[in-house]
Parts: sequence; C-alpha cells; structure tokens
Amino acid sequence: GQNIDQPTEMTATEGAIVQINCTYQTSGFNGLFWYQQHAGEAPTFLSYNVLDGLEEKGRFSSFLSRSKGYSYLLLKELQMKDSASYLCAVRGSQGNLIFGKGTKLSVKP
Amino acid sequence: SAVISQKPSRDICQRGTSLTIQCQVDSQVTMMFWYRQQPGQSLTLIATANQGSEATYESGFVIDKFPISRPNLTFSTLTVSNMSPEDSSIYLCSVVDRDSLLANYGYTFGSGTRLTVV
Repeated sequence: GQNIDQPTEMTATEGAIVQINCTYQTSGFNGLFWYQQHAGEAPTFLSYNVLDGLEEKGRFSSFLSRSKGYSYLLLKELQMKDSASYLCAVRGSQGNLIFGKGTKLSVKP
Repeated sequence: SAVISQKPSRDICQRGTSLTIQCQVDSQVTMMFWYRQQPGQSLTLIATANQGSEATYESGFVIDKFPISRPNLTFSTLTVSNMSPEDSSIYLCSVVDRDSLLANYGYTFGSGTRLTVV
C-alpha cells in the first residue's frame, strides 16, 4: 500500500526555523519531492531528493533517509509569505506523484 | 520547465451535466497526469493520460466517470461526467518532461479548475 504521513498543521514565528517531517511507506520509490501551495493556487516545486542526505537551496533545505522512509523540509529565516501548505510527495514506479495530506504552516509576527 | 494553460479556471455546473477541462502545454511533455484536490485536502491522482491510448486510472476512478483524452504530446482533456455535488473540487493537470526529470525540476502543475456542482 501507499502511505505518506506529515503533520496537519504547524505554527512558527517570523525569523525562526521550522522543520516539517514526512514519513513514507510506498510500493515503489523514485525520489521524494516537496511542494509549496498557497491557498487557491497550484503547487509549486521546492525540492527533490533521490539519494540520502541534505539538499540545500537558499532558505529551504530537504533531507532524505531512504532506509528510514523519512524526509524533512527545513525552512530558515521564516517570512510571512512562507505561510502555506507544504506537500510531501513520493514518485512511484509508474512515474506518478503520490502526495501526503500536506502540512499547513502559519507564520506569525 | 513547461508552461501549462488550464481551462476553465472555474465553473459552476448543474448536477447531471458534464464538464470538460483542457490542459495545453507549450512544449511536448513525456507524461501528463490529472489530479483532484478536495477542499482542505491534498492531491489525489485520478489517472495518467497516455498519448494515443486509454488513460491509466487509479483505484476509485473509472473511465465512464472521468473520460480522458490525450491526442498528442501537448494537450489533454479531462471530462467530469454526470456530476453530483460530491464532485465539487479543484482539478489539476500536471506534466513532466525529460529535461525536467534530468534537471530535477519536478512536476509542473496547471493553475487548476475550481468546480462547484449545484
């Protein structure tokens, strides 16, 4: 079966650091993606991990451990505009993306 | 990465009718997918649109309810048939091309079609 878990909601303060975790159990694995989605908009690509380790891209970093079925997205120097839903997705053996339910992040002043 | 034009952006439809959503890409893409996002929920894959052949549907979705066409590598349609209020949702197309896969840019999404069935 396919199962991707991430927290439903998180709250953080402007300027702080927040880590959003994702655990997965899927029948196939060809990489893990993180997407950002603002309310009423389409998801936008943030990061991609296929090998273990940390990928850094500006204020955002993503980590993957394939043996543990675990990933996290790290957001540094939070800004108000980072308030959005963050979606963890695994690419399956058929090439499609399987999404978790998303984590709604609220950044407060 | 590819640029997607998805139409209509929103519609309000009567139950029992059908709506066809179009997804036009500015370049040839390897794979095209259709997703549904119900209010407050994440994305659920409906089907993979296959060029020149029948779409591949996920569990819980059937061709009679969601017929899909993909006549070429840049265009696809999704029809929501015999609609009921439970079909009210956002429908999104998504594409990936070979260059995006190689560059790890990820999958690109259309802006979505917000459907309300009354």
